[in-house]
Amino acid sequence: AQTVTQSQPEMSVQEAETVTLSCTYDTSESDYYLFWYKQPPSRQMILVIRQEAYKQQNATENRFSVNFQKAAKSFSLKISDSQLGDAAMYFCAYGLYSGSRLTFGEGTQLTVNP
Amino acid sequence: DSGVTQTPKHLITATGQRVTLRCSPRSGDLSVYWYQQSLDQGLQFLIHYYNGEERAKGNILERFSAQQFPDLHSELNLSSLELGDSALYFCASSSTGTSGQETQYFGPGTRLLVL
Repeated sequence: AQTVTQSQPEMSVQEAETVTLSCTYDTSESDYYLFWYKQPPSRQMILVIRQEAYKQQNATENRFSVNFQKAAKSFSLKISDSQLGDAAMYFCAYGLYSGSRLTFGEGTQLTVNP
Repeated sequence: DSGVTQTPKHLITATGQRVTLRCSPRSGDLSVYWYQQSLDQGLQFLIHYYNGEERAKGNILERFSAQQFPDLHSELNLSSLELGDSALYFCASSSTGTSGQETQYFGPGTRLLVL
């Protein structure tokens, strides 16, 4: 079974600084997707970024980028120029290319200090 | 706003009761997924429907059931409720269900409290 691990239960960053959230996963599959979702205090699950495993290029979305290391099964999220609105729980998730379910990590609570 | 709607937003009920949670997917999406988020179990996949047919089951209890209707909305039925069923229940939708892992967009969730 696939597993996703987020080893940092909590992280903090100063406003305007850069922070990296870690995620590792375990799979024997070759075709899959990886996602980062953000859950602010409203509890809404918001897609931040997605990466297809077959792509070597790391995905970027404005201030959010990933470092995808397929061999190491690592998928970290970098947030640049952190803003107060980035404060949230961040979940890493894995999904098979031909599958349906998403497997989520335990989450990392990010605090942004003014 | 993801385009996925869920009702009700909050639900308070008693042990032993039955409730129905409703989800309307984004326009054009054929797949609906249900997840449970609880403090001790984290985010767990429950069940997936594609165009009215059940496609995959996860950690869904026998007391729980779901269905997807011809208009593609879905309902999750929870019966014989226990205190431990208190959780946030999410519905998500995506455009495909069989030929690729399209991005799942989540609704706002239904917060269930069983007293």
